[in-house]
Amino acid sequence: GDSVTQMEGPVTLSEEAFLTINCTYTATGYPSLFWYVQYPGEGLQLLLKATKADDKGSNKGFEATYRKETTSFHLEKGSVQVSDSAVYFCALSDRTGGFKTIFGAGTRLFVKA
Amino acid sequence: SQTIHQWPATLVQPVGSPLSLECTVEGTSNPNLYWYRQAAGRGLQLLFYSVGIGQISSEVPQNLSASRPQDRQFILSSKKLLLSDSGFYLCAWGGQGETGELFFGEGSRLTVL
Repeated sequence: GDSVTQMEGPVTLSEEAFLTINCTYTATGYPSLFWYVQYPGEGLQLLLKATKADDKGSNKGFEATYRKETTSFHLEKGSVQVSDSAVYFCALSDRTGGFKTIFGAGTRLFVKA
Repeated sequence: SQTIHQWPATLVQPVGSPLSLECTVEGTSNPNLYWYRQAAGRGLQLLFYSVGIGQISSEVPQNLSASRPQDRQFILSSKKLLLSDSGFYLCAWGGQGETGELFFGEGSRLTVL
């Protein structure tokens, strides 16, 4: 079945450092790919998305490119802030797999001032 | 605009007691609805999803059940809670259209003692 694998955390960075969180997927069809973010004590919210190969999703300085050849969707940000501290989830939604969204295990990010 | 609410936000229940978590969506009709569970330090596990009134699909055999008595209402229940039912429960709607993105409620934290 479909699955998502993302790098284990926690990731601890200093403010203004470069961030990469790796995410790879397996899917039988042509999935849409997502990054969701969860701030402490809250539900998840969509950070960015990409619906087809080579699409780049971007939001709030975060970017991720849909790489079909490597089945990857790595999250990057050039300069993190303390307010970026949260848990980040990579996810896929494959229409051929029905109406389900599959999530990775999540990566906790701590940004120090 | 669409909104999603779930309650209660926090509850502490003894082992063997019943459970009812409620989720309602406003501003949309015939949404796909989902219940996810997030155990401490772990990713999101899809528990149930529903594509219409009275239509429930269960992803994982467990001590929980779900019902959809109205188009925009989704209820998660248990007759007798177990310690292992503790976690953060998230309701979501969406999963449709071209991208399949999800919109999450604020979450309900359940502690079973």
